[in-house]
Amino acid sequence: EAGVTQFPSHSVIEKGQTVTLRCDPISGHDNLYWYRRVMGKEIKFLLHFVKESKQDESGMPNNRFLAERTGGTYSTLKVQPAELEDSGVYFCASSLAGSSYEQYFGPGTRLTVT
Amino acid sequence: AQSVTQLGSHVSVSEGALVLLRCNYSSSVPPYLFWYVQYPNQGLQLLLKYTSAATLVKGINGFEAEFKKSETSFHLTKPSAHMSDAAEYFCAVSDRRGTYKYIFGTGTRLKVLA
Repeated sequence: EAGVTQFPSHSVIEKGQTVTLRCDPISGHDNLYWYRRVMGKEIKFLLHFVKESKQDESGMPNNRFLAERTGGTYSTLKVQPAELEDSGVYFCASSLAGSSYEQYFGPGTRLTVT
Repeated sequence: AQSVTQLGSHVSVSEGALVLLRCNYSSSVPPYLFWYVQYPNQGLQLLLKYTSAATLVKGINGFEAEFKKSETSFHLTKPSAHMSDAAEYFCAVSDRRGTYKYIFGTGTRLKVLA
């Protein structure tokens, strides 16, 4: 069974540009989470999808971040326009409905904004 | 609000020595607790979890953790460190309702000395 995959693994962009991160959860997992780790800090929750619906986006930093999960399968996280403080590692995780307490994480996307 | 504190951002042990990584949590409701490990260039991998069954939880690779409610702790131990245990370890707490989002500690990087 394939795990959670994320694309790209690394992205280097200039301030003001747009970047889109993609996450493919484990097949059949209704729950999808995005987290972010800024260098030297803890991993922080960004938002949670159940299928295609946003259940909790309380961790989204500001309106420059837009997450979508069309069709309840893969998800994208767009940052537009990117700022220096957006640099970090973005993790995606998924879990089964009814087993929401155990999340499976992807390898992360390292975003560097210069 | 929930929180997690991991004491020691860096821990060094000799090969064959006891590994002890500390985690204290704060939660107003009975929590779920987790330890994840991240090896270089990989995603987060679940080591073990506490979900209110046995307070002594055994995980993969010889690791175990004990839930102590009175001390609000969930320390991770391994009797004998191996070189392959060198990685970063994260403690996380999740509540039992809502989104089950994780609150992470800041991580502890374990170095194993030959």
